[in-house]
Amino acid sequence: QSVLTQPPSASGTPGQRVTISCSGSSSNIGRNTVTWYQQVPGTAPKLLIYSNNQRPSGVPDRFSGSKSGTSASLAISGLQSEDEAEYYCASWDDTLNGYEVFGGGTKLTVL
Amino acid sequence: QELLQESGPGLVKSSETLSLTCTVSRGSISGYYWNWIRRPPGKGLEWIGQVYYTGSTHYNPSLKSRVSISLDTSKNQFSLRVRSVTAADTALYYCARGGYIYGADAFDIWGQGTEVTVS
Repeated sequence: QSVLTQPPSASGTPGQRVTISCSGSSSNIGRNTVTWYQQVPGTAPKLLIYSNNQRPSGVPDRFSGSKSGTSASLAISGLQSEDEAEYYCASWDDTLNGYEVFGGGTKLTVL
Repeated sequence: QELLQESGPGLVKSSETLSLTCTVSRGSISGYYWNWIRRPPGKGLEWIGQVYYTGSTHYNPSLKSRVSISLDTSKNQFSLRVRSVTAADTALYYCARGGYIYGADAFDIWGQGTEVTVS
């Protein structure tokens, strides 16, 4: 069972806006930043969002992140077929000398 | 851009030690955090641990008693050892870099991954 909680699946049609939630606690999301990764099947994860809402260069502005309290969200607008992938949230947890925790992943299907 | 490449045996016997190496090319180990992450079949990502370029380490508490990560700056490599493996350690293992301009725990460069099966 993952420390951060994500819905196992999400779906949308091309052009739609979808959001993926990530729930944590005061020891991780509540006091540290959230990172999001996209993993297309057969490839390594790709950094999508860092510091809650910042996009690395090359990531389209269709992807956005937000954080409030102990929860975070990833939003994808103008959904495209190539967005079909697994999405993971992550954050640093300050318990037990500190360690990185991931959500269980959300499989996004573009219908 | 730096490239990361994992290497090591794809098959390890139960109760033995899993050893993997990540080679960093087109760049330097200095200044960054070097991480190991795995994905068991049918499951999500799990952070194993990290080594800073100074040699300091952090580990996942659930694995800490069996894991060690070390650095070889002369070879631009870092390594993972997992002792007393079981079938639960079967996974796709990734190495990844943290600590670039995106933050210490934002992993911006990943290796392609290497499959390890515990028999």
